[in-house]
Amino acid sequence: EVQLVESGGGLVQPGGSLRLSCEASGFAFSRYWMSWVRQAPGKGLEWVANINQGGGEKYHVDSVRGRFTVSRDNAKNSLYLQINGLRAEDTAVYYCATTANGYFDHWGQGTLVTVSS
Amino acid sequence: EILMTQSPATLSVSPGERVTLSCRASQSVNSKLVWYQHKPGQAPRLLMYGASTRATGVPARFSGSGSGTEFTLTISSLQSEDFAVYYCQQYNNWPQTFGQGTKVEIK
Repeated sequence: EVQLVESGGGLVQPGGSLRLSCEASGFAFSRYWMSWVRQAPGKGLEWVANINQGGGEKYHVDSVRGRFTVSRDNAKNSLYLQINGLRAEDTAVYYCATTANGYFDHWGQGTLVTVSS
Repeated sequence: EILMTQSPATLSVSPGERVTLSCRASQSVNSKLVWYQHKPGQAPRLLMYGASTRATGVPARFSGSGSGTEFTLTISSLQSEDFAVYYCQQYNNWPQTFGQGTKVEIK
C-alpha cells in the first residue's frame, strides 16, 4: 500500500523558513516523479513544485520560484520542500503526491503551514 | 495558464440521486483531464484520468466524459461516502491547473 507522510509544518513568522518532508513507503519511490500541492484555507488546490526520479529536473510554480526548492533523497525514500521568505499567502496545507504524466495518483494527508506574526 | 471552471460551486443532493458535475477549460486540454475526490482531513483521491478512465478501486457508479474544453463527472447513484469536494485538473499544459471545486453536500 502506498503511504506518504508529510511533516515539518508549523507556525512561522513572515520572512521565515521551513523544511517540509514527505516519507514514502509501499512503492518504488525512486521510479516516480513527485510533487507538492497546496491548499490555502477555503481555497482550491494549487500545484507548487515537482521533481523527476533522479532529482535533476525540477519545476516550481511562478509564485514560489526563487523562494521554494523541491529536492529528494531516494536512499531515504523522502521528498523535501525548502520554503524561504514565507508570506501570509503561503499559509496552506501542503501535500506530497506521486506524479504520473502530470497528474497526482497518490497523496499524503498533508502538513499545515501557517504564516503569521 | 489554463483556467479551469467548475460548476456548480455547491450541489445539495439526496442519497441515491444521480449527480452531474461540470468542468470547463479556458482552452482545449484534449482528454488530459482528471477528477479528484477530497474529504475534510483526508488525502485527496484520484477518481478519473484521461477524462474517462476510472482509477484503481473507483466504483463503477463514477463515470467521466468529455474532451477539448467541456467535461463531466457523473455519479449514477450517490452513496453516503460520496459527499465530498470534487476537483478537476488539466495536465495538457504546464502548469497543471485545478478547478475551484464542487462541494457535494447532503440535502
